[in-house]
Amino acid sequence: EVQLVESGGGLVTPGGSLRLSCAASGFTFSSYSMNWVRQAPGKGLEWVSSISNGANYIHYADSVKGRFTISRDNAKNSLFLQMNSLRAEDTAVYYCARVSTPGGLSAAAGIDYWGQGTLVTVSS
Amino acid sequence: SYELTQSFSVSVSPGQTASITCSGDKLGDRYVFWYQQKPGQSPVLVIYQDRKRPSGIPERISGSNSGNTATLTISETQAMDEADYYCQAWDSSTVIFGGGTKLTVL
Repeated sequence: EVQLVESGGGLVTPGGSLRLSCAASGFTFSSYSMNWVRQAPGKGLEWVSSISNGANYIHYADSVKGRFTISRDNAKNSLFLQMNSLRAEDTAVYYCARVSTPGGLSAAAGIDYWGQGTLVTVSS
Repeated sequence: SYELTQSFSVSVSPGQTASITCSGDKLGDRYVFWYQQKPGQSPVLVIYQDRKRPSGIPERISGSNSGNTATLTISETQAMDEADYYCQAWDSSTVIFGGGTKLTVL
């Protein structure tokens, strides 16, 4: 059974940093590209970042570019999101999500598995 | 930047057909994916590559995509279908989500 379990969320003051982790199991993690997607309270889904299976290709939403860094450790089946210079508008539930087809990032692939999410609150 | 537009809400009576649309420039040239999200839960993929259903998704949920509009159709709508629905496509290696449509089953 595919499982994605996020951790690392919490309350942080504006300008602070936080590192999210996602532990993957039930599939060959190194074969799949991964995403971080967030959802502000009462709002819609917003894509944050993608990383290809081999970490050769990385993309960010303009709203987080230069502040957030996605990475992965295929040996430990883990995905990460380092978030710096946090703002109030970064407050959201952050989901770890798997691209549906093995291999690199593809416009033919959706997101087939999502974690339960971890809440990040940026407030003074 | 590329945008996907969805109506804010759709209402349907039980047993009737609900149609949720997603519009974007030449959207028919891209693959569209649809997600269902119920309150307090993570999204679930219900349609991929315009019209394909993942295993476990009932046949009464279908999709189409042509021109500038993709459509998610739910036939014989049930109370359990009440949820937020999001369309998604890719643009220049970035993931684009529509704003979401709240489906209410009256």
